[in-house]
Amino acid sequence: DTAVSQTPKYLVTQMGNDKSIKCEQNLGHDTMYWYKQDSKKFLKIMFSYNNKELIINETVPNRFSPKSPDKAHLNLHINSLELGDSAVYFCASSSRGANEQYFGPGTRLTVT
Amino acid sequence: AQSVTQLDSHVSVSEGTPVLLRCNYSSSYSPSLFWYVQHPNKGLQLLLKYTSAATLVKGINGFEAEFKKSETSFHLTKPSAHMSDAAEYFCVVNGGGADGLTFGKGTHLIIQP
Repeated sequence: DTAVSQTPKYLVTQMGNDKSIKCEQNLGHDTMYWYKQDSKKFLKIMFSYNNKELIINETVPNRFSPKSPDKAHLNLHINSLELGDSAVYFCASSSRGANEQYFGPGTRLTVT
Repeated sequence: AQSVTQLDSHVSVSEGTPVLLRCNYSSSYSPSLFWYVQHPNKGLQLLLKYTSAATLVKGINGFEAEFKKSETSFHLTKPSAHMSDAAEYFCVVNGGGADGLTFGKGTHLIIQP
């Protein structure tokens, strides 16, 4: 009964490829997020989705695109992968009016 | 705008001794503050949160934190460290609105046997 799940856990791919990371939450939350954690452990928000509307988009390259088929899912698509995209990507969710977010286990992306 | 400063990148304590992880914040609004823990190769787990109720907040695993508005601090403490506490700890602020969470750079807690 995992609250926030991500697949895959590890993803190794070559430069130039297109890949997706899936995220699902079973908490009934209405807002979902994607974060990037770099090699120095620094976490930075990339996107958030509320009721299928993008409400935050930090300075993220347009090669990255979140897609939300429904309220329980927020997938991250990455086109033309670059070496600098190597990182751990975390999905999170929260409910309206709540401040805390619940995180998935992370996806370690390695671009070679 | 909001920001978080974790004052120590690494903290090393002996098992059974107290733990203090320091955090200062800035926010344009009355913030909500959190501590998250990340064990090696794991996701982030919420330890505790402050949301303008009691200034002393108790969390899981014996951790607690005190919100001090005058000092803009939200330090994390534990009376007696355990080996299983070795992890990365993140202080986090949510200033409200659509900005989401802002993370500090993390403090790596090392527990010496």
